Amino acid sequence: GENVEQHPSTLSVQEGDSAVIKCTYSDSASNYFPWYKQELGKRPQLIIDIRSNVGEKKDQRIAVTLNKTAKHFSLHITETQPEDSAVYFCAVSTDSWGKLQFGAGTQVVVTP
Amino acid sequence: GAVVSQHPSWVICKSGTSVKIECRSLDFQATTMFWYRQFPKQSLMLMATSNEGSKATYEQGVEKDKFLINHASLTLSTLTVTSAHPEDSSFYICSAPRYNEQFFGPGTRLTVL
Repeated sequence: GENVEQHPSTLSVQEGDSAVIKCTYSDSASNYFPWYKQELGKRPQLIIDIRSNVGEKKDQRIAVTLNKTAKHFSLHITETQPEDSAVYFCAVSTDSWGKLQFGAGTQVVVTP
Repeated sequence: GAVVSQHPSWVICKSGTSVKIECRSLDFQATTMFWYRQFPKQSLMLMATSNEGSKATYEQGVEKDKFLINHASLTLSTLTVTSAHPEDSSFYICSAPRYNEQFFGPGTRLTVL
């Protein structure tokens, strides 16, 4: 089955700096790569996603890059703010309607 | 938008009893829903795929006789944890796909005493 690895497990950044989280996956049939932000006790919220026919996608301060050959994708958050503090999960699926396999998560702490 | 609700939001039960958790798609129909379990400070682990009108598909290692899933209608899937034990205490979250993405319910916190 699919194996998704996510690094780092924790990330502390100063407000205004950038944060990068990386994920690798094993199944070459995977085509959908979303990133979720989860606050304690809440549901995961989709912050950005990318499909295999695209190499990069950006939405304001958030960007995702995908290297399908190497089977890895990354989340980039620029100009971090304290409200960016949360746990971030990458996920992988064969399509946006299918089951998701999640990475282990990254606890991001943005200090003022 | 697409809204998914869960009921109850939290439940406490005694060991050995059964608990039913409901997942509803409020403004759309979902022939497929997914059930995840999340232990404290861990990731979401897929438990099963709930299929309207047919049997659920369970992930490897998930006991189908312990976690009963019924997709009763196009807007409702239920997860019943039978003979619950303290190790079943967890955060259970469902999701349903629409608009090319998954919409998650708010989760149900189960505590088994």
